[in-house]
Amino acid sequence: DGGITQSPKYLFRKEGQNVTLSCEQNLNHDAMYWYRQDPGQGLRLIYYSQIVNDFQKGDIAEGYSVSREKKESFPLTVTSAQKNPTAFYLCASLLRPGQPQHFGDGTRLSIL
Amino acid sequence: EDKVVQSPLSLVVHEGDTVTLNCSYEVTNFRSLLWYKQEKKAPTFLFMLTSSGIEKKSGRLSSILDKKELSSILNITATQTGDSAIYLCVLPQGAQKLVFGQGTRLTINP
Repeated sequence: DGGITQSPKYLFRKEGQNVTLSCEQNLNHDAMYWYRQDPGQGLRLIYYSQIVNDFQKGDIAEGYSVSREKKESFPLTVTSAQKNPTAFYLCASLLRPGQPQHFGDGTRLSIL
Repeated sequence: EDKVVQSPLSLVVHEGDTVTLNCSYEVTNFRSLLWYKQEKKAPTFLFMLTSSGIEKKSGRLSSILDKKELSSILNITATQTGDSAIYLCVLPQGAQKLVFGQGTRLTINP
């Protein structure tokens, strides 16, 4: 079955540590997205990529970094510069503009 | 700045009740409006609305767009505990990005 796989489901970060969240899709979608969701708030866009080897900052990119070396993969690194990383992170992909985005099951990140 | 506002933010009803969730928006270049349901994990797509006044329906759920009022409603009739979720209203911004509302947290009590 085609879909988006995020791992791990739960992740704990120590102070000063960088952590990487994985997102893999086998839908053959060109565009991929990372969102952050905090309680009582909608999803906010961190980064997105429309094509391999290219990505753009979203609304809250500070303290995060991404890469897009393969069409299927769009990992997100939460760096130590992100002072409030505790949140639910969702990855999504899109076949073409005007279509609904498909979402992964999310990674819940907490600080130790 | 493009904006999506949902109301209420939280709603608690009894099983069997009918609920109406609201979404109002301000976007520079309207293309469509989408509704998603989010339980514990991934948001799942419900409806995409592009034309004003045309109701989309799926079982007990229905939604309609009013472009004149820049708003949409999502109705759920004969609610069940399985309808408990966060309902997200979303608008595309440009070719690739989405603007999300805060979501309405719906709780259905047995």
